Amino acid sequence: NAGVTQTPKFQVLKTGQSMTLQCAQDMNHEYMSWYRQDPGMGLRLIHYSVGAGITDQGEVPNGYNVSRSTTEDFPLRLLSAAPSQTSVYFCASSPSSSGYTFGSGTRLTVV
Amino acid sequence: GENVEQHPSTLSVQEGDSAVIKCTYSDSASNYFPWYKQELGKRPQLIIDIRSNVGEKKDQRIAVTLNKTAKHFSLHITETQPEDSAVYFCAATLGYGGSQGNLIFGKGTKLSVKP
Repeated sequence: NAGVTQTPKFQVLKTGQSMTLQCAQDMNHEYMSWYRQDPGMGLRLIHYSVGAGITDQGEVPNGYNVSRSTTEDFPLRLLSAAPSQTSVYFCASSPSSSGYTFGSGTRLTVV
Repeated sequence: GENVEQHPSTLSVQEGDSAVIKCTYSDSASNYFPWYKQELGKRPQLIIDIRSNVGEKKDQRIAVTLNKTAKHFSLHITETQPEDSAVYFCAATLGYGGSQGNLIFGKGTKLSVKP
């Protein structure tokens, strides 16, 4: 198993550009989530999904969209990038009965 | 929604001493409490978790305790070693159902173990 795979690992965007952060897992996990990590702020939940076709907002959803068309994939879309979205983004997945496995992260810089 | 407070934000101990990190949560319905360790530049990794029907859980040098009445849970690391140096995060959520995806984290504790 590859686990949770995130692409790209690094990205620089200009303000106003859009992009999609990819996340895929091969463990047949029901739950998937996106977090952002900023210094001193811990891990803040952006959006999460409890199964294909089901998504919900987390703590900081503004400026981000998600969809879950398959069990394996959970892409995060930035509609119009802003400098405040500069962060490290982690995707995570879990089965219903245990904790999350995190991807290796995407470091995003918006200039 | 759930809110998780974590203390202290930094903790420095001598090798061999014990370390304790404490968290409180706001939603009395929360029933799943994992702890994650994040080394510098790495992803968070699950080290131990506890559910609300259990008061304490141990795994070698690591233990977690839960007080449902007071809505707080703690991580205990005994006989600390330099490789325990990392940032530790607590989290809370409603498990066993559709809300388990809504895992809310504390802001983290940076543990430094001095040789």
